[in-house]
Amino acid sequence: GAVVSQHPSWVICKSGTSVKIECRSLDFQATTMFWYRQFPKQSLMLMATSNEGSKATYEQGVEKDKFLINHASLTLSTLTVTSAHPEDSSFYICSALEFRQGDDEQFFGPGTRLTVL
Amino acid sequence: DAKTTQPTSMDCAEGRAANLPCNHSTISGNEYVYWYRQIHSQGPQYIIHGLKNNETNEMASLIITEDRKSSTLILPHATLRDTAVYYCIVNSGNTGKLIFGQGTTLQVKP
Repeated sequence: GAVVSQHPSWVICKSGTSVKIECRSLDFQATTMFWYRQFPKQSLMLMATSNEGSKATYEQGVEKDKFLINHASLTLSTLTVTSAHPEDSSFYICSALEFRQGDDEQFFGPGTRLTVL
Repeated sequence: DAKTTQPTSMDCAEGRAANLPCNHSTISGNEYVYWYRQIHSQGPQYIIHGLKNNETNEMASLIITEDRKSSTLILPHATLRDTAVYYCIVNSGNTGKLIFGQGTTLQVKP
């Protein structure tokens, strides 16, 4: 299957700083990418849909000014957690949608673990 | 997208078939059934999906009932590496959004 990478795989930062997480589709073009957040022992929660060349669509309850998403190319989407606080500590996962004729498939990155001190 | 219901946890002996059920009684005609799994601290991995016919690939088989209100994922010969959380998701494919429920934690035991 297609490969999606994330960078960094883990990051520790101080409260109040901003952190950028990259999501790349390595061997296919993805006009649509998704960002999820997962707290310990919980399921994945969809945060936003990222479309190349347009503004992201955020799920209800997700602050768009806090979680900035940029999808500047067909293979790269970035999530910036602005002014991070300890409650933002979580496992952030992206996925990329590969459109195929009548049969789309979504591939997930390995995740980025964010710890805010 | 329709909601799914899965058992919270299941055990399976290594080498035996693991049968993971999923109920999706409100599924509509254009919605697919997707299965993903997540091994601890990794991103979800696609397993299989189907619309109404049974499907098989190198990882698993998907059996969908005729009324499409439930399905079963079958891992024919479970190994210890199949221990994971398995998610059954119903999705129309129009938006690509996958809404994850709590899934089934499958524990494969030696």
